Amino acid sequence: QKEVEQDPGPLSVPEGAIVSLNCTYSNSAFQYFMWYRQYSRKGPELLMYTYSSGNKEDGRFTAQVDKSSKYISLFIRDSQPSDSATYLCAMGGGGADGLTFGKGTHLIIQP
Amino acid sequence: EPEVTQTPSHQVTQMGQEVILRCVPISNHLYFYWYRQILGQKVEFLVSFYNNEISEKSEIFDDQFSVERPDGSNFTLKIRSTKLEDSAMYFCASPQGIRTEAFFGQGTRLTVV
Repeated sequence: QKEVEQDPGPLSVPEGAIVSLNCTYSNSAFQYFMWYRQYSRKGPELLMYTYSSGNKEDGRFTAQVDKSSKYISLFIRDSQPSDSATYLCAMGGGGADGLTFGKGTHLIIQP
Repeated sequence: EPEVTQTPSHQVTQMGQEVILRCVPISNHLYFYWYRQILGQKVEFLVSFYNNEISEKSEIFDDQFSVERPDGSNFTLKIRSTKLEDSAMYFCASPQGIRTEAFFGQGTRLTVV
């Protein structure tokens, strides 16, 4: 059974801190991984996409995938109050059966 | 960022009525997906659509749901006889392929009363 675990938070950190968000999964069929940011009653906004194990950096965001541990992370450097949102991890396998999402972590950046 | 457009943004309907939710996916993308998010819960996969037919569907996508691509640009989700528990945000997503980035629309908030 496909399952993705994500701590719902809330996670509250001061402005400028490094934020670490994580998901674990149990299904080794997952091959690609994404992080989305979602504001209340809005659509998920794609932040990062990774296919293989390792790190991928884009601006202040770094996505990390460890397939051997079935663990993925998103790091946000120099966090800003505008980063306050819910962050969703999502992952997919080899077919067209869509993404499996975590429940999302509610992040609050305190000015 | 590429844009997926959904209409309406909010729809209120009476239980038992039919609703049609509309999506304009990214123009050169081949796969189209519908997802649902009940308030406070996970985003859940409903159905994928490729080459004018359903590729995969979840157990949520029962006989009351249908999808169509009535013309070259629009992609619709129809709920035939709405139930209270169908109240949710419905998202259309448009990846270029089955293992690529998936871009989501802003969603339609469906409220069944």
